[in-house]
Amino acid sequence: DTAVSQTPKYLVTQMGNDKSIKCEQNLGHDTMYWYKQDSKKFLKIMFSYNNKELIINETVPNRFSPKSPDKAHLNLHINSLELGDSAVYFCASSLGGSKPQHFGDGTRLSIL
Amino acid sequence: QQQVKQSPQSLIVQKGGISIINCAYENTAFDYFPWYQQFPGKGPALLIAIRPDVSEKKEGRFTISFNKSAKQFSLHIMDSQPGDSATYFCAASNSNSGYALNFGKGTSLLVTP
Repeated sequence: DTAVSQTPKYLVTQMGNDKSIKCEQNLGHDTMYWYKQDSKKFLKIMFSYNNKELIINETVPNRFSPKSPDKAHLNLHINSLELGDSAVYFCASSLGGSKPQHFGDGTRLSIL
Repeated sequence: QQQVKQSPQSLIVQKGGISIINCAYENTAFDYFPWYQQFPGKGPALLIAIRPDVSEKKEGRFTISFNKSAKQFSLHIMDSQPGDSATYFCAASNSNSGYALNFGKGTSLLVTP
């Protein structure tokens, strides 16, 4: 069973469109994260949620809106997609604090 | 700004050799220092982690050395194997940022047969 699953794995779309990426974890964790990995493989935190509440928003444009319907899910909605949004987006979860973070396998977003 | 600096960017080691990756940080509030391993097409996976009250931690062939006064830490992979070929990331975090990980830029390791 996949611990942290993201869908879709690949997303190809045009500039200006709106898209969503879904993330689900079955580990019973209460903290979830979104990270962005750019073309040079640099990983940067975007958002962190604890018990469905936002605790970190790292200067991400407000075109990005995370939604946590429950502790097991953290979805990412992106409006008005731009070329610079092309990247691999990783969802992660943990028990909070300095507990290990478990990552999904990523969603590769390509903007045409 | 880059809070964790990692070197080298790439590394080639012969099978059986020792791979060494170094990281440095500035924020003395960091209190958790993990290393992640990433294979192509996969998400990062935790390899080993250390806290600043310990100078060294060993798990199998992987060892973290930590120098609090120098604000540096390193990963040593002993008896490197071709299966260790991957990208390695150091990271640092603390409670101020909800333990969100600040990653280094990664080291691409190739272990040749």
